[in-house]
Amino acid sequence: GESVGLHLPTLSVQEGDNSIINCAYSNSASDYFIWYKQESGKGPQFIIDIRSNMDKRQGQRVTVLLNKTVKHLSLQIAATQPGDSAVYFCAENFPGSAGGTSYGKLTFGQGTILTVHP
Amino acid sequence: GAVVSQHPSRVICKSGTSVKIECRSLDFQATTMFWYRQFPKQSLMLMATSNEGSKATYEQGVEKDKFLINHASLTLSTLTVTSAHPEDSSFYICSANVGGSYINEQFFGPGTRLTVL
Repeated sequence: GESVGLHLPTLSVQEGDNSIINCAYSNSASDYFIWYKQESGKGPQFIIDIRSNMDKRQGQRVTVLLNKTVKHLSLQIAATQPGDSAVYFCAENFPGSAGGTSYGKLTFGQGTILTVHP
Repeated sequence: GAVVSQHPSRVICKSGTSVKIECRSLDFQATTMFWYRQFPKQSLMLMATSNEGSKATYEQGVEKDKFLINHASLTLSTLTVTSAHPEDSSFYICSANVGGSYINEQFFGPGTRLTVL
């Protein structure tokens, strides 16, 4: 059921600043990681992904860093804009036949609320 | 490409009734679809994995007789919440795996807000 009193981490930045959102993942065997953006009342939107054999990947205005030693993932957003305001989730994929598919299954982190002030 | 739709987007029902939610892949065939539940200010929790033509695989703690999943075609999976109660009120989100790759790349639907009175 629903938990009460749960507070998501928040990050407030000024428009034009760079944002860094962090995530700790749980399973050292996870082989694939994704960052999603979720706006209120909508489904998650893919931002960027990275495979476990990489430590950095860049997209348009976004960079994902993966540190497998400490099981840490980060999302860097350059020149943050008000339209970037949303909840950001990291997800890790645990491979194998778990979940009934050979692809594995995704486990989502708790999320971070990003608020960009004009 | 890789668009996933859900219907309805919102539904309000009385306690004890059943509600069906549809998830469709619009421009691709999805062998595997996933159903998630999200309570307010919480993360997405995987409920079950739906494979076309076979029984769904449910996560621990999810009642398969309460949350019926049918994946009858490569573009449609349905989730039926049977005998709904207020505690089932939540945001239900489906996703589909595009396939053709060894990575679990999922595309998400817009979600369905279920309110049980």
